[in-house]
Amino acid sequence: KNEVEQSPQNLTAQEGEFITINCSYSVGISALHWLQQHPGGGIVSLFMLSSGKKKHGRLIATINIQEKHSSLHITASHPRDSAVYICAVSGGGADGLTFGKGTHLIIQP
Amino acid sequence: EAQVTQNPRYLITVTGKKLTVTCSQNMNHEYMSWYRQDPGLGLRQIYYSMNVEVTDKGDVPEGYKVSRKEKRNFPLILESPSPNQTSLYFCASSLSMGHKGYEQYFGPGTRLTVT
Repeated sequence: KNEVEQSPQNLTAQEGEFITINCSYSVGISALHWLQQHPGGGIVSLFMLSSGKKKHGRLIATINIQEKHSSLHITASHPRDSAVYICAVSGGGADGLTFGKGTHLIIQP
Repeated sequence: EAQVTQNPRYLITVTGKKLTVTCSQNMNHEYMSWYRQDPGLGLRQIYYSMNVEVTDKGDVPEGYKVSRKEKRNFPLILESPSPNQTSLYFCASSLSMGHKGYEQYFGPGTRLTVT
């Protein structure tokens, strides 16, 4: 079973700061997912990666398959980015995703 | 609009009273799954289904049942709920699951309290 570790667990930053959230996993995967969960809200898929880098607006996700590591970056952070960010991996089998415990991000104005 | 719906969104019930949480998707997805989310433990898979009439246990299936009679629906059944099933439940779907990655679509969540 894959083990997914995220860091940091909690992060508080000022508006405008560059944010990095890290995710590492123990076993080879078919894809890595970055998810966003707002307080009291549902879960939204931000990115799905199997290699390289993806960008959407102010969000950038990278993955290094050899090192079993991914990062999520937020540029010019804003209070509306405050949420829990969850890393999840799919192993190529039918048994779905394995999740990290999430990173609770607070952006202060 | 492509979506996964769950009902009810909130439920307070008593120990032993059977309940069903419905899940429906309108994207013709083959793969559907149920997860529970608990503080400090994160999201864990309860059951999943690769297609109609094909279901299998996830990591925490005890106390739960599922069925997949139609492609769009995947209800979660608690035959005799207990307080340790108090949790936030998410249904999710994707086109498929396997050697390729597929984007996951999550329902809005059902907050269940069992007293």
